[in-house]
Amino acid sequence: DAGVTQSPTHLIKTRGQQVTLRCSPKSGHDTVSWYQQALGQGPQFIFQYYEEEERQRGNFPDRFSGHQFPNYSSELNVNALLLGDSALYLCASSLVQTEAFFGQGTRLTVV
Amino acid sequence: AQSVAQPEDQVNVAEGNPLTVKCTYSVSGNPYLFWYVQYPNRGLQFLLKYITGDNLVKGSYGFEAEFNKSQTSFHLKKPSALVSDSALYFCAVRDYNDYKLSFGAGTTVTVRA
Repeated sequence: DAGVTQSPTHLIKTRGQQVTLRCSPKSGHDTVSWYQQALGQGPQFIFQYYEEEERQRGNFPDRFSGHQFPNYSSELNVNALLLGDSALYLCASSLVQTEAFFGQGTRLTVV
Repeated sequence: AQSVAQPEDQVNVAEGNPLTVKCTYSVSGNPYLFWYVQYPNRGLQFLLKYITGDNLVKGSYGFEAEFNKSQTSFHLKKPSALVSDSALYFCAVRDYNDYKLSFGAGTTVTVRA
C-alpha cells in the first residue's frame, strides 16, 4: 500500500504566480482534505473533497481552490501567490468518520 | 467552534522515563480526538484516536492516551521513552458532526540518552 502520495515535494514560485499541487489518496479512501502548515504552527484546514465536491471549507480566501477526480485523487490550486503562502501543504485521505492519513507534504516557497 | 490547546511547547525527558504530552480541547458536541507525530520535513503520522468507548486508548509504538471528559483533556503517554520518540507531536480534535480536524500548535519532545 503506497499510502498518500503528494507531488511535487518541493516547489519555488514567484509572487503573483499560480501553483498546482497534487495528491493521490491511500488505496480505498474516498475523501481528501488539504491543510496548510506554516513554519512552527499546527496544520490549518483548507478544504475537504468528497464525491468530487467541496464538502467543507476552512478560513482561506478564494485564491485557494481545488478539485477531486473520479479516481479520488485531488489537486490544490493557489492563484496570485503571496509571500505568506509559503508553507508545507499537506494532503490527507480518509473514509467517512475514520482517521486521516497524511502524505509527506509539498514544501512551497514563494519568493 | 472547536479548538485544541497544547500548553507545553517543549517536553524533555531522559530515555527510559515516562513521557507525557498534554492536550486539552473544546468542541460543542462529542469529540473525536487524535494524536499525530511529525518528524523533520515529513508529513503527519497517525498514532491513536478516541471515538467512543474505553477512556484509555492504546496506539502505535507503545503510546497510549487517556480521554477525560470532565477535564476536556486527552493526554498522550508512554511508560518508557526512547531516543527515537524525539519528534513534534500534535493533538487534533473533530466534532462528531464536522469534517475538519483542528490541531494544536504542537509539542516538541526531546528524549536524551
